[in-house]
Amino acid sequence: DVKVTQSSRYLVKRTGEKVFLECVQDMDHENMFWYRQDPGLGLRLIYFSYDVKMKEKGDIPEGYSVSREKKERFSLILESASTNQTSMYLCASSQTGLAGPSSYEQYFGPGTRLTVT
Amino acid sequence: AQTVTQSQPEMSVQEAETVTLSCTYDTSESDYYLFWYKQPPSRQMILVIRQEAYKQQNATENRFSVNFQKAAKSFSLKISDSQLGDAAMYFCASETGGSYIPTFGRGTSLIVHP
Repeated sequence: DVKVTQSSRYLVKRTGEKVFLECVQDMDHENMFWYRQDPGLGLRLIYFSYDVKMKEKGDIPEGYSVSREKKERFSLILESASTNQTSMYLCASSQTGLAGPSSYEQYFGPGTRLTVT
Repeated sequence: AQTVTQSQPEMSVQEAETVTLSCTYDTSESDYYLFWYKQPPSRQMILVIRQEAYKQQNATENRFSVNFQKAAKSFSLKISDSQLGDAAMYFCASETGGSYIPTFGRGTSLIVHP
């Protein structure tokens, strides 16, 4: 059973703080993703990673950075949290099919609801 | 760039009835995949059903089925015999083959009335 875990379900931080959101998957997936979910806007991709130490910007990378030092762990960093980063953050992972289908489903974590005051 | 449109922010259905959630997409690719994901309240998002664009047959998973109209770029989800546990946000997504990066719609909130 694929499992994606996120370090916190709820987090409250102050403006200007550095915030770390951690995500761990246990299925040896190559791909990992960070999304932001806001009501009426759906899921927006912040960053993704195809492999260890690899990262690519998504649609809304401004104000965020990521780190992937190990295959199973993908961290999202808010360098200086701002109130407009109050949101639900979802981590996901998926595999890459070298000899199979060219698409695989994403497995999601439970989400971290971040409030910046 | 791909776009996915879910025109129904909210839908409601009576328990045991059938409901259809709409989704349209736009892509210039020939190799692509379509997905419906379900996000129950305070629970993890999970895959409901997936459709490969090259397959003409509509995908089915128990009470969930899709109506895939390739020419119209439409991909609706039909839920039969609705249950209270079907209440959730439903997201439609499309993905170009080999990209491994889906584009999500804005979601449809499904309410199931007992």
